[in-house]
Amino acid sequence: QITLKESGPTLVKPTQTLTLACSFSGFSLTTSTVGVGWIRQPPGKALEWLAVIYWDDDKYYNPSLESRLTITRDTSRSHVVLTMTNMDPMDTATYYCAHTQAYTGGWFDPWGQGTLVTVSS
Amino acid sequence: DIQMDQSPSSVSASVGDIVAITCRASQNIGSWLAWYQQKPGRAPNLLIYAASTLQSGVPSRFSGSGSGTDFTLTISGLQPDDFATYYCQQARSFPRTFGQGTKVEI
Repeated sequence: QITLKESGPTLVKPTQTLTLACSFSGFSLTTSTVGVGWIRQPPGKALEWLAVIYWDDDKYYNPSLESRLTITRDTSRSHVVLTMTNMDPMDTATYYCAHTQAYTGGWFDPWGQGTLVTVSS
Repeated sequence: DIQMDQSPSSVSASVGDIVAITCRASQNIGSWLAWYQQKPGRAPNLLIYAASTLQSGVPSRFSGSGSGTDFTLTISGLQPDDFATYYCQQARSFPRTFGQGTKVEI
């Protein structure tokens, strides 16, 4: 059974850097075609894809946020880290990580429970 | 970026109704489309992938159709547990993009 769980601060100040971790079990990020993605959802709004990292360390970012995002992996500890710099109140959202696959499908399943991050001074 | 336009943004329905939600892509995405269900305060749940393949464990009243640019999620015989928001997502290219969501209300 695949499970994922996000962790990180619930409150950050404007201009600060957000660091979120996604801990997972039930799969390995060293297995061919496996990936972990990050998606966020502002309160009451739609889903927005942020980034993905694959088993071969290939990475893709949302171009609208690419200059602020970094995604890394720690295969030995089964977790993925997302950093977002220069946080703004508009970045207030629930941040999800999710399992995905390359080549056979870029959908996300399953998802972590999400973590709400509020950006406020 | 590939834009995904969902319609309607909301729909009022009753238990037992047939509900259809459409998703239009701004360019040809083949069958690289997924549908998710999201309930308040919960993470999205994958219902359908590859446009028409039902995810394991998802009731058969959910079905997906379409290819290219036009897709439909149909719920045949709405159940109380189905009142939620539904999103489409394209997996043809990066950046991955989602529709704006369709809220199915009583």
